[in-house]
Amino acid sequence: QVQLQQSGPGLVKPSQTLSLTCAISGDSVSSNTAAWNWIRQSPLRGLEWLARTYYRSRWYYDYAESVKSRITVNPDTSKNQFSLQLNSVTPEDTAVYYCARDPPGGSTIFDYWGQGTLVTVSS
Amino acid sequence: EIVMTQSPATLSASPGERATLSCRASQSVSSNLVWYQQKPGQAPRLLIHAASTRATGIPARFSGSGSGTEFTLTISSLQSEDFAVYYCQQYTTWPSITFGQGTRLEIK
Repeated sequence: QVQLQQSGPGLVKPSQTLSLTCAISGDSVSSNTAAWNWIRQSPLRGLEWLARTYYRSRWYYDYAESVKSRITVNPDTSKNQFSLQLNSVTPEDTAVYYCARDPPGGSTIFDYWGQGTLVTVSS
Repeated sequence: EIVMTQSPATLSASPGERATLSCRASQSVSSNLVWYQQKPGQAPRLLIHAASTRATGIPARFSGSGSGTEFTLTISSLQSEDFAVYYCQQYTTWPSITFGQGTRLEIK
């Protein structure tokens, strides 16, 4: 059974960096068939896919255009986890952030999700 | 960007009734369509992928249909645990996937 456990602060000041981590159990961040994603949800923007990383002989990264200039996803194979960094945050980045697995099969769907982290951007 | 529009925004129904939720894409997504269920305080739960394939462990009362731009999620006989918000998601424009705004299924 795959489990994703998120950690990170729930409050970030404007202009600072939002950092979250997603620890994986029951699968591997280095899987050759799965992909590892960050998604956020807010009343204003609904569900919004942000980024993903996956390993296919080398590491790949995909980012949503809306945040591409500010976002980084990094795998950590030693801890079997992956992280999200979103720079220069504003109150519009306030949302519940989820990590999620895109399973083997070649489709961008999400079968396992983290528990969600409410991140508030406020001074 | 493909826009996903769900209707109705809110659906009121009684336990035991049949519920039909709709999702329309602004352009064809073939059968690259997913349905999720979300309950308060929880992450979305995968119900249906490839428009009509139930995910592992999903009861048979949930069914999906459609292709192209018009899709339907049907719950044949509502159980108390089915009252939640339902989202559709397209994955044709990889990796720029998009979600609908959701349909809230509430108890009448």
